Amino acid sequence: DAGVIQSPRHEVTEMGQEVTLRCKPISGHDYLFWYRQTMMRGLELLIYFNNNVPIDDSGMPEDRFSAKMPNASFSTLKIQPSEPRDSAVYFCASKAVREAGELFFGEGSRLTVL
Amino acid sequence: AQSVTQLDSQVPVFEEAPVELRCNYSSSVSVYLFWYVQYPNQGLQLLLKYLSGSTLVKGINGFEAEFNKSQTSFHLRKPSVHISDTAEYFCAVSEKGSTLGRLYFGRGTQLTVWP
Repeated sequence: DAGVIQSPRHEVTEMGQEVTLRCKPISGHDYLFWYRQTMMRGLELLIYFNNNVPIDDSGMPEDRFSAKMPNASFSTLKIQPSEPRDSAVYFCASKAVREAGELFFGEGSRLTVL
Repeated sequence: AQSVTQLDSQVPVFEEAPVELRCNYSSSVSVYLFWYVQYPNQGLQLLLKYLSGSTLVKGINGFEAEFNKSQTSFHLRKPSVHISDTAEYFCAVSEKGSTLGRLYFGRGTQLTVWP
């Protein structure tokens, strides 16, 4: 299996622009998680899905952030408009129900908002 | 709710020295416990996990951890570290029996191994 695939690996954009991050989970995994990692706040859970349905989005910082999972093999995290404080590494992770708590992470998307 | 405290944000050690990375958790229910490792510019990967049974758990790369229920701890150890062990290490907990599968992570401990 190719593992969790994220794109782009790096994104540099200007404040106010729309940013879309993409994730392909491991085939057969039922859960998909989006995390944000910064030096100041560590690893934060933004939102997670079970069978393509959002379960908990309480970690989404504000309305500028939205996430979708239109099917079992694809998810997006969108920021519109982006701000410099959104600069971080965004990770996608997936998990199978049978794997007690074990998450498989992608390599992350490093976002820089100027 | 669960919470995880990693007591040291940075741990510098010399090569071939032993190391212990400390983790304490708080939970009102039984939990599963995990250690993840993050190498530079990579995602997190599972190092080891405790689900049940023996409280001493062995993982990859010579690491092991011991679950201590009375002290609510899950410290990570390695008897002799290598330069290649330099990475950030995250302790995590999830609620046993929950189908939600959410992991709660600590803030991480940066292990730096010097030659």
